Amino acid sequence: DARVTQTPRHKVTEMGQEVTMRCQPILGHNTVFWYRQTMMQGLELLAYFRNRAPLDDSGMPKDRFSAEMPDATLATLKIQPSEPRDSAVYFCASGLVVGQGRGYTFGSGTRLTVV
Amino acid sequence: QQPVQSPQAVILREGEDAVINCSSSKALYSVHWYRQKHGEAPVFLMILLKGGEQMRHEKISASFNEKKQQSSLYLTASQLSYSGTYFCGTEMMKTSYDKVIFGPGTSLSVIP
Repeated sequence: DARVTQTPRHKVTEMGQEVTMRCQPILGHNTVFWYRQTMMQGLELLAYFRNRAPLDDSGMPKDRFSAEMPDATLATLKIQPSEPRDSAVYFCASGLVVGQGRGYTFGSGTRLTVV
Repeated sequence: QQPVQSPQAVILREGEDAVINCSSSKALYSVHWYRQKHGEAPVFLMILLKGGEQMRHEKISASFNEKKQQSSLYLTASQLSYSGTYFCGTEMMKTSYDKVIFGPGTSLSVIP
């Protein structure tokens, strides 16, 4: 089965450090999402891309978070500087246009701990 | 804009049925259903589109009431493997892009 690959799987970092998370979407998928999951907030949409163009990043704290898709095989989410409240599991998901009746495939996530 | 799910949690014995509801205050274009097991990623179950039919995944089915902006997930003759957290995700009517917002989740535990 095709997979969405996320790296790293786990990351522990100190407050103030830069964190970069990577996602390789499924080949041929034109939509990529970044979600953050915490016990308190559930699955929050941070940003998403269609055909590599950013469509909506309103869920992202702009002062410290940035999301990019430098090419069709790579999406990145960067946090600089990181804070303890950023500790969460970050998921990337990819898919085709929803109207075609298909859902999204999630990666295994990056578990981030900021100490 | 986040959809509301009910119940928050449910415990079933193997073989029992359950219904999970998802509702929105906004007009919906589609409703997704995903299941997440502990420590794993959410897995897509099915999608219901406006004007579409009821969908099915194994013994799990779902309906979409467009007038009420509600969707229900029906788990029939539950199995131990059904345990997990079920999320509905909604897409509003109709933006120019497919932005899926997830509800808070319903925790389902199936016991022998």
